[in-house]
Amino acid sequence: AQSVSQHNHHVILSEAASLELGCNYSYGGTVNLFWYVQYPGQHLQLLLKYFSGDPLVKGIKGFEAEFIKSKFSFNLRKPSVQWSDTAEYFCAVNAGGSNYQLIWGAGTKLIIKP
Amino acid sequence: GAGVSQSPSNKVTEKGKDVELRCDPISGHTALYWYRQSLGQGLEFLIYFQGNSAPDKSGLPSDRFSAERTGGSVSTLTIQRTQQEDSAVYLCASSSTREQPQHFGDGTRLSIL
Repeated sequence: AQSVSQHNHHVILSEAASLELGCNYSYGGTVNLFWYVQYPGQHLQLLLKYFSGDPLVKGIKGFEAEFIKSKFSFNLRKPSVQWSDTAEYFCAVNAGGSNYQLIWGAGTKLIIKP
Repeated sequence: GAGVSQSPSNKVTEKGKDVELRCDPISGHTALYWYRQSLGQGLEFLIYFQGNSAPDKSGLPSDRFSAERTGGSVSTLTIQRTQQEDSAVYLCASSSTREQPQHFGDGTRLSIL
């Protein structure tokens, strides 16, 4: 069965630190990849997505993610975090083509200390 | 409204009662999804509607769970004879097509006493 693994359940950083959140998936075929974010008290929203093309994807608020097919990874990065980045981050994958079901990671709670 | 709307936002009920959760998707979105998120877990797929096609119910955890979507728009998720393990946040999402990113509502937090 397909699965998505997010390695860190909780991450605490100081402002201006660099961020990398890991995401690995288990599926050998074509995939669509997503990062969603949930800020405190708000609903889930799309941060960035990868369907095809350049494996380095830019998202909102200075986030980016790199799809490395050989490693089955889609790690999320930001060079300098801000207090407002405090949120929960979810990686999700679907097996491309006509498969619409998203398989979700368990999420990473990110806390940025001011 | 502009986004996905869910009601109620919170529901507390006694074990054994039936509950109905409502989702109003973004206008024009043909795809609608229900998920369940338990504490410390990722989202668990429950059911998917696409236009007038038969829904994909493969994620429903038991026959106490059912959902319908009337007129291709509003959807209702019904849980009969609720159990304590049904306590979770129930999220609804919609997308313009099934390949496009999903837009989420704020969820319904269900607590079974």
